[in-house]
Amino acid sequence: QQQVKQSPQSLIVQKGGISIINCAYENTAFDYFPWYQQFPGKGPALLIAIRPDVSEKKEGRFTISFNKSAKQFSLHIMDSQPGDSATYFCAARGGVGGFKTIFGAGTRLFVKA
Amino acid sequence: DADVTQTPRNRITKTGKRIMLECSQTKGHDRMYWYRQDPGLGLRLIYYSFDVKDINKGEISDGYSVSRQAQAKFSLSLESAIPNQTALYFCATSDTGLRTRQPTGELFFGEGSRLTVL
Repeated sequence: QQQVKQSPQSLIVQKGGISIINCAYENTAFDYFPWYQQFPGKGPALLIAIRPDVSEKKEGRFTISFNKSAKQFSLHIMDSQPGDSATYFCAARGGVGGFKTIFGAGTRLFVKA
Repeated sequence: DADVTQTPRNRITKTGKRIMLECSQTKGHDRMYWYRQDPGLGLRLIYYSFDVKDINKGEISDGYSVSRQAQAKFSLSLESAIPNQTALYFCATSDTGLRTRQPTGELFFGEGSRLTVL
């Protein structure tokens, strides 16, 4: 049973375009929603994160939009660049003690030059 | 030097063999995790540990065991490896945030151990 559902599985975007990745969650006890970026041969690294008490967080070209009532959140990458080509994972943290992080299946983004 | 170091980075083994993947960290974090990555399935939690005396099962612990030898060391063992355990394994750490009384939530990953079971 997948608690965090991520789409699309893969995405191709032109340089300068907007990349959008969507996630939905089921467990209302989740209290922290991070996005991780992974380059080939490397471990995932935190890109940006949001808590459920805000609807949007922006850091440079990366924005998280959060809809608590719909239990959905999304990552928007503005002015996408070839260097953004990577695998992106949404995640949600919760559970007993509030420390278990559950990941989505991942989205492979390719930005065409 | 990497803050979270995994060894070996690559390993090919045969069905039935015992395998140990090791993780050490210099971040001073109390919490350590083992995740498994498979294409199309994302990262799934195998085991996690709050401190040396605390070990907990994750989503997919069957066929695996762990040992927390010290605050900085957390190893994953496959007692009798099978082909469907072929995957990329990641160790991660996180801070308890004791000073702020709020876990920061961020996971810090190693570079992964690619295991192939023939």
